[in-house]
Amino acid sequence: TQLLEQSPQFLSIQEGENLTVYCNSSSVFSSLQWYRQEPGEGPVLLVTVVTGGEVKKLKRLTFQFGDARKDSSLHITAAQPGDTGLYLCAGATGANSKLTFGKGITLSVRP
Amino acid sequence: DTAVSQTPKYLVTQMGNDKSIKCEQNLGHDTMYWYKQDSKKFLKIMFSYNNKELIINETVPNRFSPKSPDKAHLNLHINSLELGDSAVYFCASSQRALETQYFGPGTRLLVL
Repeated sequence: TQLLEQSPQFLSIQEGENLTVYCNSSSVFSSLQWYRQEPGEGPVLLVTVVTGGEVKKLKRLTFQFGDARKDSSLHITAAQPGDTGLYLCAGATGANSKLTFGKGITLSVRP
Repeated sequence: DTAVSQTPKYLVTQMGNDKSIKCEQNLGHDTMYWYKQDSKKFLKIMFSYNNKELIINETVPNRFSPKSPDKAHLNLHINSLELGDSAVYFCASSQRALETQYFGPGTRLLVL
């Protein structure tokens, strides 16, 4: 069973602060996806990382895939209240054709 | 136009009842999914269909029966509802397995 551990589970910060959150596993993934889910809605894809060591930027969000493809981090620069939501990482392996989701990180950015 | 739609959005029912949730996607995707998100926000896959064929069936009670009449629709029927079935159920679709998944707005099921 592939498990994805996300940390921290909850994070409450002030607008303008920087933060980094993590998604870790003992399993190797062929790709890893990050989703954001806002209250009352379904998750929406932010980014997919495929190559070990890959870094992708989406405006103020920076995603990195670990060299061994077992972990990933998300760094947000100058957080804004609009960044508030549940951040889910999901790992894919070819073996079972399904995504395994982590339990998510609940981020609250206070104005 | 909504890419992935689900009905109903809210469902409140008594224990023991049978209910269905419907899902439709207009993205032309081949693969559709049902997920259950519990009160702690953990999103767990239940079923996956590819071109109307079941490809993933996680450890789900057989009271849950998915049906895919065509590749744009995936419905979920639940028999003999239990208190523990209360959750948000999300339908999703992707062009192929493991690619970007597009989620519906969710169905909030409350079993009393």
